[in-house]
Amino acid sequence: ILNVEQSPQSLHVQEGDSTNFTCSFPSSNFYALHWYRWETAKSPEALFVMTLNGDEKKKGRISATLNTKEGYSYLYIKGSQPEDSATYLCAFYPGGSYIPTFGRGTSLIVHP
Amino acid sequence: EPEVTQTPSHQVTQMGQEVILRCVPISNHLYFYWYRQILGQKVEFLVSFYNNEISEKSEIFDDQFSVERPDGSNFTLKIRSTKLEDSAMYFCASTRDLSQPQHFGDGTRLSIL
Repeated sequence: ILNVEQSPQSLHVQEGDSTNFTCSFPSSNFYALHWYRWETAKSPEALFVMTLNGDEKKKGRISATLNTKEGYSYLYIKGSQPEDSATYLCAFYPGGSYIPTFGRGTSLIVHP
Repeated sequence: EPEVTQTPSHQVTQMGQEVILRCVPISNHLYFYWYRQILGQKVEFLVSFYNNEISEKSEIFDDQFSVERPDGSNFTLKIRSTKLEDSAMYFCASTRDLSQPQHFGDGTRLSIL
């Protein structure tokens, strides 16, 4: 069983605040890390696919970094908006497998 | 943009009955997956399917479960003799290749009474 942890479990911020949260995963035998955004009553939507140590990806106000040597990825949201409210899931793929292990997610609520 | 579609959105079934959950993956995708999420718990992998056969399955996916791709478009999950603990959201996902993220359906909420 692979240990994929996300923190914090939940986060409440005010509109306009910037925020970040963490996904940690086994640092040995890394293949890829995916970030998904999951709004209530919808399906998870892919945000980023991260494969190389030092990767930085950006989509609008959301960005992510990857450190495979120490086994973590950060997701940043700049200037949070109420529509950013969702659960953010990471999924870790070990080398030699295309089966992801998901974290529990970070639930973000942005208050207007 | 093409989507993964799942039906039904909610299925209520008596314990001991069989259920079939249906998924239509994106048409040019090659890898298909079923996941479940029990309320309050993590998303858990059940099974993956490639080239018309199961490529990997978890310890959850025992003889009670089966998958089929009967006609080249549908991808079904059958649960025989359902138990109370099978109550969960079941998600189907597909991807064209393994370097790409998976596309998820909206899920089927399965309630076993």
